Amino acid sequence: EAQVTQNPRYLITVTGKKLTVTCSQNMNHEYMSWYRQDPGLGLRQIYYSMNVEVTDKGDVPEGYKVSRKEKRNFPLILESPSPNQTSLYFCASSPGYQETQYFGPGTRLLVL
Amino acid sequence: AQSVSQHNHHVILSEAASLELGCNYSYGGTVNLFWYVQYPGQHLQLLLKYFSGDPLVKGIKGFEAEFIKSKFSFNLRKPSVQWSDTAEYFCAVRSSGSARQLTFGSGTQLTVLP
Repeated sequence: EAQVTQNPRYLITVTGKKLTVTCSQNMNHEYMSWYRQDPGLGLRQIYYSMNVEVTDKGDVPEGYKVSRKEKRNFPLILESPSPNQTSLYFCASSPGYQETQYFGPGTRLLVL
Repeated sequence: AQSVSQHNHHVILSEAASLELGCNYSYGGTVNLFWYVQYPGQHLQLLLKYFSGDPLVKGIKGFEAEFIKSKFSFNLRKPSVQWSDTAEYFCAVRSSGSARQLTFGSGTQLTVLP
């Protein structure tokens, strides 16, 4: 089944403790992206990747890092999480940047 | 920078009522437009999209949207809503000026009363 998977789905952590949220797609898509969803703000793009080893900042990149060492994986790294990063995070992928994006199930993060 | 406005934050309708959700974008050049839906507890799914051609676009589940370039709008419509349409709806735009980014509106929560 073609899909985008994220792990973990739920995460509670404390300020300053590094964490990684994984994202994987099995559709051989070139374009991958991370969004955060906050009430009243919709989805805002954090980082995106056009292909392996090609990443770029979205609208809200501060406090986040990404890497794209393999085509299928696009992990989101929070080196030192803070409470304002409490949010619902979505990973998405598409065959190319101009095409429809397919979203993962989301990761709900709470930073205490 | 491109931006998207969804002016209706929460819409409440009774079953069988007609629906229209507003979406306006700021970019004046070539745009790709999308409507996504998020059912409670689920991830975003594509309802419909406009890339070019006929400005009236039909999507899944009886939804349609009309691209009106002169008004910078891409409103979502459905003639008769059902309780199962209760969800959050997001408009999104990708412009030729920021082709690698998809910008979302803040979303409209639709509640359909049985």
